Amino acid sequence: EAQLVESGGGLVQPGGSLRLSCAASGFTVSSNYMTWVRQAPGKGLEWVSLISSDGSTYYADSVKGRFIISRDNSKNTLYLQMNSLRAEDTAVYHCARDWNGDYIFDQWGQGTLVTVSS
Amino acid sequence: EIVMTQSPATLSVSPGERATLSCRASQSVSSNLAWYQQKPGQAPRLLIYAASARATDVPGRFSGSGSGTEFTLTISSLQSEDFAVYYCQQYNNWPPLTFGGGTKVEIK
Repeated sequence: EAQLVESGGGLVQPGGSLRLSCAASGFTVSSNYMTWVRQAPGKGLEWVSLISSDGSTYYADSVKGRFIISRDNSKNTLYLQMNSLRAEDTAVYHCARDWNGDYIFDQWGQGTLVTVSS
Repeated sequence: EIVMTQSPATLSVSPGERATLSCRASQSVSSNLAWYQQKPGQAPRLLIYAASARATDVPGRFSGSGSGTEFTLTISSLQSEDFAVYYCQQYNNWPPLTFGGGTKVEIK
């Protein structure tokens, strides 16, 4: 059974950095498109970034130039390096699997909370 | 960027009744639309893709319809476990992938 488990969230000051991890089991990260979606407290879902199976990366304008999505095939893990963090980046960050390269997300992790505050 | 607008924001329904949720796109997304369900403290769950195809293990009381700019998610007879927030997502024109603001289905 496919499973995704995020980690790495926490409290960080504005301007700081954090790296989120998403450990996958039951399937191979590198064979799938993988994405990060965030949810600010009490708000809706916002797409953040996606990495395709061939390694191409895509970002929302709000995080472009500050966040980097990557993966470690040997660890079957997805990452999100978050730099120059702002208060508006405060959210639960979910990783998710695109089941067929169609940008439809069939497996999601529970999420990890990132709080940006001084 | 394609803006997805969901209505109503909150829908109060009694168990056993039908619920109809709407999602409108700012421009045509063809049938490239998905619906997700999210319960408090849980991850989103894929319900519908390609506007009307049910995902694996999704009960038959959930159905999706529409194309272009107007879409509907119908829950034919609400069960207790269906009270949640529902989001639509377009994947026709990206980046960015965009979600609607959500419709909360609550017990009347």
